[in-house]
Amino acid sequence: QKEVEQNSGPLSVPEGAIASLNCTYSDRGSQSFFWYRQYSGKSPELIMSIYSNGDKEDGRFTAQLNKASQYVSLLIRDSQPSDSATYLCAVLSGSARQLTFGSGTQLTVLP
Amino acid sequence: GAVVSQHPSWVICKSGTSVKIECRSLDFQATTMFWYRQFPKQSLMLMATSNEGSKATYEQGVEKDKFLINHASLTLSTLTVTSAHPEDSSFYICSASFHVGNEQFFGPGTRLTVL
Repeated sequence: QKEVEQNSGPLSVPEGAIASLNCTYSDRGSQSFFWYRQYSGKSPELIMSIYSNGDKEDGRFTAQLNKASQYVSLLIRDSQPSDSATYLCAVLSGSARQLTFGSGTQLTVLP
Repeated sequence: GAVVSQHPSWVICKSGTSVKIECRSLDFQATTMFWYRQFPKQSLMLMATSNEGSKATYEQGVEKDKFLINHASLTLSTLTVTSAHPEDSSFYICSASFHVGNEQFFGPGTRLTVL
């Protein structure tokens, strides 16, 4: 079992819709969770971090964390074509002091 | 804030030569820096973790004698790919954090092509 799992996609949504990206992790001791956006040929860019159960909103982005279910998600409201990218879920495990990345979900927002 | 730079952004070299990549945290002191490698259509793979003034910790399967890492100051880490071969061609990305466990801020990456 992979430590951090994401649906690889591709996920396509129409412009203006809500894009929902999901991530599960295996280490129950994980403390910190991050979402990164990576455009093709570029390096990842941090867009959200979340540390406690519940929702965290930042503009059009909402991160949701459920530690009991070992699940973290990212919602993008009013999706724009410029949101088209690969979204990487990253988890800081309880024991290892480094990030483990999922394989990423490719999102395409159709104009 | 939290800007990380890398140099060069791309490099082409002949097989057998060595290539040095620099990673700098421009507006903060990075206790820890990380080096990743990413092959096309794959996720980031951590190569090594380096702390200022100490030896880097390499991930399993990463040859420490081939990928030399130096973290001489709180704002600079270097990765040297020694005796590069075509299979070393990849996108090398560094990241930096204030402390282990904090967010990592990524540099723009260096695309290495070994002919």
